[in-house]
Amino acid sequence: EPEVTQTPSHQVTQMGQEVILRCVPISNHLYFYWYRQILGQKVEFLVSFYNNEISEKSEIFDDQFSVERPDGSNFTLKIRSTKLEDSAMYFCASSGQGGAYEQYFGPGTRLTVT
Amino acid sequence: AQSVTQPDIHITVSEGASLELRCNYSYGATPYLFWYVQSPGQGLQLLLKYFSGDTLVQGIKGFEAEFKRSQSSFNLRKPSVHWSDAAEYFCAVHPRITGNQFYFGTGTSLTVIP
Repeated sequence: EPEVTQTPSHQVTQMGQEVILRCVPISNHLYFYWYRQILGQKVEFLVSFYNNEISEKSEIFDDQFSVERPDGSNFTLKIRSTKLEDSAMYFCASSGQGGAYEQYFGPGTRLTVT
Repeated sequence: AQSVTQPDIHITVSEGASLELRCNYSYGATPYLFWYVQSPGQGLQLLLKYFSGDTLVQGIKGFEAEFKRSQSSFNLRKPSVHWSDAAEYFCAVHPRITGNQFYFGTGTSLTVIP
């Protein structure tokens, strides 16, 4: 069964450093998303991406964040200058022709900022 | 305000006992409804979803959920819990009318005792 994959599974970085989280969505999907889950809290939407542009973003997704689909298979989330409060699990998701209603989630990348 | 509520933060059940996890939503119209499960260190796995039609939906791993419009609820049930069901369970909604994001509840942590 096709699945969303994410790398790395765990990333440790120092405050102020840039990090790039990588995702490979399901191959025929058209919509891509990032969510985050701070430890012990709910999963929160960050951004959605369609047709090579951001279609929706939350208040969390400020100028420190960016997304990119650098090639036909990868979807990345970049945090330019990490803060302690960026420590969280980051989930990538994708959905197909049906639109945003059926989102398939990856296993997540745990980001720890020290 | 739009919201998804899971009233039970933590539930403990004995193996073989029945289970019901509660979810209530507050939206202007009936949203699309989902239940996800997150095992320790794992990503979000879709258990089941409700879009329309029969209000009792069957999912994977023996789970089912019932949509009750009058109560704005979408409770998850399982007749006989297995030790492997111990995990975090998230109710999620998509507003249907607009937007790309899912809104998640805060989750219910399930412990299964022998």
